[in-house]
Amino acid sequence: NAGVTQTPKFQVLKTGQSMTLQCAQDMNHEYMSWYRQDPGMGLRLIHYSVGAGITDQGEVPNGYNVSRSTTEDFPLRLLSAAPSQTSVYFCASNPGWRNTEAFFGQGTRLTVV
Amino acid sequence: DQQVKQNSPSLSVQEGRISILNCDYTNSMFDYFLWYKKYPAEGPTFLISISSIKDKNEDGRFTVFLNKSAKHLSLHIVPSQPGDSAVYFCAASEDDGGGADGLTFGKGTHLIIQP
Repeated sequence: NAGVTQTPKFQVLKTGQSMTLQCAQDMNHEYMSWYRQDPGMGLRLIHYSVGAGITDQGEVPNGYNVSRSTTEDFPLRLLSAAPSQTSVYFCASNPGWRNTEAFFGQGTRLTVV
Repeated sequence: DQQVKQNSPSLSVQEGRISILNCDYTNSMFDYFLWYKKYPAEGPTFLISISSIKDKNEDGRFTVFLNKSAKHLSLHIVPSQPGDSAVYFCAASEDDGGGADGLTFGKGTHLIIQP
């Protein structure tokens, strides 16, 4: 059982570069989300999606774009990377919209220099 | 303004004893609470949850208690085992009437189980 798969696991970007963090789940979950975790901080919600074609902003959406063309995939795009986006990024999926536990991927450690 | 607070960055407990991790929240709209466990270089894994209509939920060695009037919840682990050494995050979900919402996390407590 793959669960939630994130790629890449590690990435170094130069300021101003763009890239896409990939996230795929094989549990047929409707709800997916992206979080970032910074040192000494809890996870903070970037964007989420309640189903294919529907996305919305979380707590810290600036500098990130998302799309949801299929149930399985929820990529996160950094349009122009900044050092402030150095973080560990986690993708998650839930079996329901509310009051269900989130299943997390292993994370992508991103460094912007 | 932190809505979910875990005021103990770390906690050291002897193997076999009880571990008690605490969490406070400020948003009265939170109605579902979860605990996650995280090992280094891994994603968080779900441990246990509780709805605001309950005051206790138990799953094996793990029990979560919710005190709504105090806006406080705690996770009890009995007995503590070496594999319990990890960072524990408290998280909450809000019912704002809009349907889906993400989770609001605390900063985590690093639990260290001493042999």
